[in-house]
Formats: sequence, C-alpha cells, structure tokens
Amino acid sequence: EAGVAQSPRYKIIEKRQSVAFWCNPISGHATLYWYQQILGQGPKLLIQFQNNGVVDDSQLPKDRFSAERLKGVDSTLKIQPAKLEDSAVYLCASSLQAGEYEQYFGPGTRLTVT
Amino acid sequence: GENVEQHPSTLSVQEGDSAVIKCTYSDSASNYFPWYKQELGKRPQLIIDIRSNVGEKKDQRIAVTLNKTAKHFSLHITETQPEDSAVYFCAALSGSARQLTFGSGTQLTVLP
Repeated sequence: EAGVAQSPRYKIIEKRQSVAFWCNPISGHATLYWYQQILGQGPKLLIQFQNNGVVDDSQLPKDRFSAERLKGVDSTLKIQPAKLEDSAVYLCASSLQAGEYEQYFGPGTRLTVT
Repeated sequence: GENVEQHPSTLSVQEGDSAVIKCTYSDSASNYFPWYKQELGKRPQLIIDIRSNVGEKKDQRIAVTLNKTAKHFSLHITETQPEDSAVYFCAALSGSARQLTFGSGTQLTVLP
C-alpha cells in the first residue's frame, strides 16, 4: 500500500514569510496528525484530525499556525508569519483510527527559517 | 497533560551486546506504549508496542517491559547489530483525544 505523502520535502523561507505544507494520508485512514520535530527532540503533536474534524489542537500556536483537512482526506498546515523558532521537520502521520493503532509517518518537510 | 521522560539520551554498545532504553510517564491513565525507530533523515517507524494489560512483549531480538505501578517501560535489544544504530523514541497514549506524547529520544550507536 502507498505510504503517507508529504510535500515539499525542503523549504527555506525568511522570517515573517508564510509557508504551507501538504499531506496525503494512507487511503482509508480516518485519523491524521501533524507533528513538529525540532532537531534533537521527539515529535510534538500540533494537531489531530478525525476525518475532517479537529479533535486536539491544544499545542498548535493558533496565532500563526493553521491547518485544515477538507473532505477528510488531504491536509494542509500553514504558518503565517514564520519565526526563526519554527525551523524544524514537520511530520504528517495517519492511522486507521485514533488510539491504539499504528501511526504511519510521512517523510517530513524540513523547514528552515532565516 | 502527559509527560514522558527517556534515558539515556545517547548509548554506545559493542556489536553483539544488549542495549536498554528506559522511559517514565506521568499519566496513570496512559494505556498504550509504542516504540519508534528513526534512522538519520528518515521517518519514524514503529518497531514494537505494548498495552497496559501486558507486562512484557517480545519480537525476535526486541522486547519491551511495562511496570504500571512504577509508571515506567523499557526497550531491550539483544545481540545488537550495526543496523540497529538509530534514534529510538518511546511514547505514551493518553488524553481524551488519544494522542501520543513522545520522549526526547535515545541515539543508539552499535560499534562494530
């Protein structure tokens, strides 16, 4: 089966610019996650979708980050405006359902903010 | 919310030796504990998981143990090989949204 797809793989922007990431989960997976992984740290959950609804966005900096999952399939994560501390790898993952199901990760987007 | 602490942050072992990585968690309601392996520049991949109704689980050279009373769980890798070199993350599942909280990772290096 095809894995989780993400694009772009790399992005370099200047601070205060905006950027968007795209994720296509595994077909049939109801739950989609966006994680931020700063170098040397574990992934930190930013937002979790169940189909097209948000079930947890408690760690999403809502003043600059937004995400949507229209039609319950693909998802986009946007940062506007970017700050230097947003430099990280943004990982998308999906699972059949929320809970005790394996999360399959995409290759990630490495964002560098200068 | 849940807090997961992982030790050590780096671990070097000789090929063929065993490696042990330990994690503690704070939320007694957490009931699922996966371990992920992340090779340099690659995506995290699940290698083993354990549920709270089980004390130990084995899969070939990998085993995980869980002590619910003490709120800690450990990853054991026996007969280590150079291809085991990677960063390993533990995680705990909790919360109303059933979200994973990850540890900070352990860089395992297996020396030939």
